[in-house]
Amino acid sequence: NAGVTQTPKFQVLKTGQSMTLQCAQDMNHEYMSWYRQDPGMGLRLIHYSVGAGITDQGEVPNGYNVSRSTTEDFPLRLLSAAPSQTSVYFCASTRRGGTNEKLFFGSGTQLSVL
Amino acid sequence: SQKIEQNSEALNIQEGKTATLTCNYTNYSPAYLQWYRQDPGRGPVFLLLIRENEKEKRKERLKVTFDTTLKQSLFHITASQPADSATYLCALFNQAGTALIFGKGTTLSVSS
Repeated sequence: NAGVTQTPKFQVLKTGQSMTLQCAQDMNHEYMSWYRQDPGMGLRLIHYSVGAGITDQGEVPNGYNVSRSTTEDFPLRLLSAAPSQTSVYFCASTRRGGTNEKLFFGSGTQLSVL
Repeated sequence: SQKIEQNSEALNIQEGKTATLTCNYTNYSPAYLQWYRQDPGRGPVFLLLIRENEKEKRKERLKVTFDTTLKQSLFHITASQPADSATYLCALFNQAGTALIFGKGTTLSVSS
């Protein structure tokens, strides 16, 4: 099993450009989520999904869109990139939402917006 | 909303000593608390989960305690090794079970 796969690993964008960060998992997990990690701020939840067709906002959703058309994939879209979105992005999944579930993380996407 | 604080940003210890990391939480009483390890350039990796009715949990050289009265968890690494150097994150789910909230982490450095 590959686990949680994120692409690309690195990306540089210009302000105003759009892009999609890809996330796929092969563990048949219902719950998937996106975090961003910034120095001094820790991991902050952007969006999450508890199953195909269902998404919801986390702590810092502005400037990002998500969709969940399949169980396996949970792409994160930046509609118009801003320098404030320079960060490391992590996708994570677990069997289903629940307070005793552990998350499996991808290896991250390092994004720079110039 | 839930808040988690990890008191120390960095902890430096010598090889062979016990490292103790602290996690405090506020605003609600979680049924479970988790600890993760994160190495530079990698995603967090789950280490341990402790339930509210478990005072202590062990896994090899790791020990976690959960004091629901103090709203605190302690994470211990005994006989620490340079390979234990990493950032350790405390986390708990919100009450709805929809969002795993993380502390900012403590970066442990073990010198030989």
